[in-house]
Amino acid sequence: SQQGEEDPQALSIQEGENATMNCSYKTSINNLQWYRQNSGRGLVHLILIRSNEREKHSGRLRVTLDTSKKSSSLLITASRAADTASYFCATDPSGNTPLVFGKGTRLSVIA
Amino acid sequence: GAVVSQHPSRVICKSGTSVKIECRSLDFQATTMFWYRQFPKQSLMLMATSNEGSKATYEQGVEKDKFLINHASLTLSTLTVTSAHPEDSSFYICSALSSLNNNEQFFGPGTRLTVL
Repeated sequence: SQQGEEDPQALSIQEGENATMNCSYKTSINNLQWYRQNSGRGLVHLILIRSNEREKHSGRLRVTLDTSKKSSSLLITASRAADTASYFCATDPSGNTPLVFGKGTRLSVIA
Repeated sequence: GAVVSQHPSRVICKSGTSVKIECRSLDFQATTMFWYRQFPKQSLMLMATSNEGSKATYEQGVEKDKFLINHASLTLSTLTVTSAHPEDSSFYICSALSSLNNNEQFFGPGTRLTVL
């Protein structure tokens, strides 16, 4: 399966700042999902956005999806040190196929 | 919500031995499960699709004789790493497809394999 691209690969910000991560993918999708992974741990599902949705919010998270550009962004507002983790986007091509993960963004939030 | 467990969470073994990892869907049935592998500081890469009652389908470059997959029931898939070598050391993560939840996938917590 071909991976999408995420940028930046690494991001370091001060606590309280906003963090924006971008994801581009290659094929048509049923939905796109964002996950967080702390070092050495499993995946935590953050948010799912369907192909017919353009924006979705969940707490301090805001996700956008532009299917014409095959891209998505994840915005974390008012970041906290506990947000330090790797963030992955994953696309679901058809609803019953394996997810295709992006390469991830390593976010460091400095207190 | 749908819960997927993996066992063991961490295993250390000697080179040449075989290791079995279990993936269970605890509160739903899953005819399809997926096995991923994640090397340090890299993303998840799909290894194979596990289908209940039939042979698994493997991604290109994944040796089916080395990574044996058995999906004998609707709630259990196992991945056996045979004759493990240090380069097989990785984080193995499974996911299960839930038809009751719009075919969403639910991930297990992962298994850290270290081959000495």
